[in-house]
Amino acid sequence: DAGVTQSPTHLIKTRGQQVTLRCSPKSGHDTVSWYQQALGQGPQFIFQYYEEEERQRGNFPDRFSGHQFPNYSSELNVNALLLGDSALYLCASSLGRVNQPQHFGDGTRLSIL
Amino acid sequence: AQSVTQLGSHVSVSEGALVLLRCNYSSSVPPYLFWYVQYPNQGLQLLLKYTSAATLVKGINGFEAEFKKSETSFHLTKPSAHMSDAAEYFCAVTEGRGTALIFGKGTTLSVSS
Repeated sequence: DAGVTQSPTHLIKTRGQQVTLRCSPKSGHDTVSWYQQALGQGPQFIFQYYEEEERQRGNFPDRFSGHQFPNYSSELNVNALLLGDSALYLCASSLGRVNQPQHFGDGTRLSIL
Repeated sequence: AQSVTQLGSHVSVSEGALVLLRCNYSSSVPPYLFWYVQYPNQGLQLLLKYTSAATLVKGINGFEAEFKKSETSFHLTKPSAHMSDAAEYFCAVTEGRGTALIFGKGTTLSVSS
């Protein structure tokens, strides 16, 4: 049973560029959440998708957007990249019911030059 | 807004010694609390969760945590540390009726022989 998979594992971009990160949830899960983890910090919630709609959003600018597909997979898009966007981006999947545990992928390490 | 405070960014113990990692939360409603572990270059793995069924929660790898409402605490313990326990540990709480996780800044556990 495959867990949460993310691609790519590493990515290098320059300021001003755009990036798309991808996530496939654990089999049977219908909810995908995205987190940003800066070096030495705890993960910060970006947003959550359920039934192809953004259900909840954290304190991140509109440059961060996402999408969920009918097969429950998800993408995170970041426009106009800033140096401060350098971080580990984690995807987590869960069942849609409140307070079900979230299962995390290994993340995408994004470096901005 | 809910928040989590992890006291001690770094904890060092000897192999076989007691592990105690501290977590305090602030919440105006009954919280759902989680402990996650992160090994280098990996995502987060769920250790245990508190969902009001029992105040003492047992998790994987011999870890357990006790929910104390009067102290707003959810400290993580393990009776005897093993070298393989060396990792980053995060306490998290869900916000209100949503499922977004609010993480603490993490505690790095070092285990020496």
